[in-house]
Amino acid sequence: RKEVEQDPGPFNVPEGATVAFNCTYSNSASQSFFWYRQDCRKEPKLLMSVYSSGNEDGRFTAQLNRASQYISLLIRDSKLSDSATYLCVVNGGGNYGGSQGNLIFGKGTKLSVKP
Amino acid sequence: GAGVSQSPSNKVTEKGKDVELRCDPISGHTALYWYRQRLGQGLEFLIYFQGNSAPDKSGLPSDRFSAERTGESVSTLTIQRTQQEDSAVYLCASSLGPRGEAGFGPGTRLTVL
Repeated sequence: RKEVEQDPGPFNVPEGATVAFNCTYSNSASQSFFWYRQDCRKEPKLLMSVYSSGNEDGRFTAQLNRASQYISLLIRDSKLSDSATYLCVVNGGGNYGGSQGNLIFGKGTKLSVKP
Repeated sequence: GAGVSQSPSNKVTEKGKDVELRCDPISGHTALYWYRQRLGQGLEFLIYFQGNSAPDKSGLPSDRFSAERTGESVSTLTIQRTQQEDSAVYLCASSLGPRGEAGFGPGTRLTVL
């Protein structure tokens, strides 16, 4: 099983649509979770951290289900500018140093928002 | 404040040559990561440094690849005897700690002819 799995998409949605991305991870000891977005030929940029209680930032809502080892990202009222690849990121479990601190990236889900 | 910086931004080299890529992390960030991204592909983990702990080198694809970090500052990624399959964007990121949010540099685009 891959460490972090995402549906590669592409998700093609009209402006104003609500779209949801899912991600599963294999290491039950992982402690930090993030969503990044990556625009074409650019470096990834942090979109939001994902907390156990779930968190919301404007049109974006992230949720974590530790029991199912599952993370989600919901985008409401999609804008053209939301078109990008969304990367699910999980750290290794445990404390400092070694592979336990490493950030593991999913391959990304591509979103295309059309007018 | 200043973000992660990388140099050079672009590097074109001939097959068989050695290259050295540099990363300057955000000041105070103890964790530093190197990733490789081939065209149209996802991020491939290469190596991870955390403070004075032994680095996690489990992602380095061959013994031609090595990386060093001076304390909690600059890191260099060295690729010896480059091959065409080494062509990719090499991305560096840093974070306050092993569970912190990581910021990325703009990457070094390596082309091996």
